[in-house]
Amino acid sequence: NAGVMQNPRHLVRRRGQEARLRCSPMKGHSHVYWYRQLPEEGLKFMVYLQKENIIDESGMPKERFSAEFPKEGPSILRIQQVVRGDSAAYFCASSPDRDTEAFFGQGTRLTVV
Amino acid sequence: AQSVTQLGSHVSVSEGALVLLRCNYSSSVPPYLFWYVQYPNQGLQLLLKYTSAATLVKGINGFEAEFKKSETSFHLTKPSAHMSDAAEYFCAVSEKGTSYGKLTFGQGTILTVHP
Repeated sequence: NAGVMQNPRHLVRRRGQEARLRCSPMKGHSHVYWYRQLPEEGLKFMVYLQKENIIDESGMPKERFSAEFPKEGPSILRIQQVVRGDSAAYFCASSPDRDTEAFFGQGTRLTVV
Repeated sequence: AQSVTQLGSHVSVSEGALVLLRCNYSSSVPPYLFWYVQYPNQGLQLLLKYTSAATLVKGINGFEAEFKKSETSFHLTKPSAHMSDAAEYFCAVSEKGTSYGKLTFGQGTILTVHP
């Protein structure tokens, strides 16, 4: 059973471009969580999704950030018009249900130049 | 809102020595508690979790943690450090009634192990 797969592992974008980060959960997992790890900071919760539904987006910035988890395919974290401050490691985690611990992917390291 | 405090951003021990990484949480209701480990450029791996069962929890790689409600603590220990334990360790909490995957993390503690 493959783990949580995130791609790309590294992403470089110029200011103003869009960044799309993909997360394929573990097989059988229908709950996905996104976290951001800024330099010198801990991990911060961003959003919790279940297939086709956003359950909790209390940690998402109000502008430029969006997330989806369609019926088919990976979960996508989308950042529009990226700025230097968006440079961070973004981690995705998945679980089979809400009462089971989450398994983390290896992260996508976004660099905005 | 919940918060997690990890005392000591860096801990250094000798190989074979006791490892003690401290974690305190603030919550009016004892939450679910987790310890994760992160190796360089890797994701997080679950070491152990406390979810209202036994207060002394054993995890992988010889680590264990004890939940102490009176002290609002969940310190991580290992009797004898190994070089391969060098990594960053995160304590995290999940509020009861929410998903285990919605976590509030501490700032992390970098463990260095000297030969």
